[in-house]
Amino acid sequence: KQEVTQIPAALSVPEGENLVLNCSFTDSAIYNLQWFRQDPGKGLTSLLLIQSSQREQTSGRLNASLDKSSGRSTLYIAASQPGDSATYLCAVRNTDKLIFGTGTRLQVFP
Amino acid sequence: DAEITQSPRHKITETGRQVTLACHQTWNHNNMFWYRQDLGHGLRLIHYSYGVQDTNKGEVSDGYSVSRSNTEDLPLTLESAASSQTSVYFCASSERPGGEQYFGPGTRLTVT
Repeated sequence: KQEVTQIPAALSVPEGENLVLNCSFTDSAIYNLQWFRQDPGKGLTSLLLIQSSQREQTSGRLNASLDKSSGRSTLYIAASQPGDSATYLCAVRNTDKLIFGTGTRLQVFP
Repeated sequence: DAEITQSPRHKITETGRQVTLACHQTWNHNNMFWYRQDLGHGLRLIHYSYGVQDTNKGEVSDGYSVSRSNTEDLPLTLESAASSQTSVYFCASSERPGGEQYFGPGTRLTVT
């Protein structure tokens, strides 16, 4: 059974820092991996989707990498801003289902 | 702009009552999904549909049902609400079965 783990569960950093969020999964037979952002009381916003054949995807200050063989993905946020404060979720796709991690709650303070 | 909406946004109901949560998307996506989000569990799949008249059970489907009579809507019904079904419910849709999923704003349901 696929299990997805995100470490750390919470992170607090000063504005301007570059930071890395980690996601690990137990079954490497995935089709893709998706990173989401969730603001308090809101829905999920898709940030990046990496296909199993890809090693990384970039969008603005965000870069996500995927190492399928080791069961890991990282989300790199460059020059963090207070507006980046949110919970970040990763989800892996096995067959037709998304399996979610429990998220990393990020706070960026001025 | 195309979007996915959920209603109501907040609902309080009593144990044993039937409750229906609405999900409506204007992307014309064939694939729609219902999840629940609970502390310590993350998001878990309840039901999903790949097209009109198609429905499938997810990881935590007991006590829930869905029906798909058109492309735009996938209502989620709790046949007899239980306190264990207090949660935040999210609907999502995607263009392809394995494609990027887009989420609605969620419905917070409290069963007393």
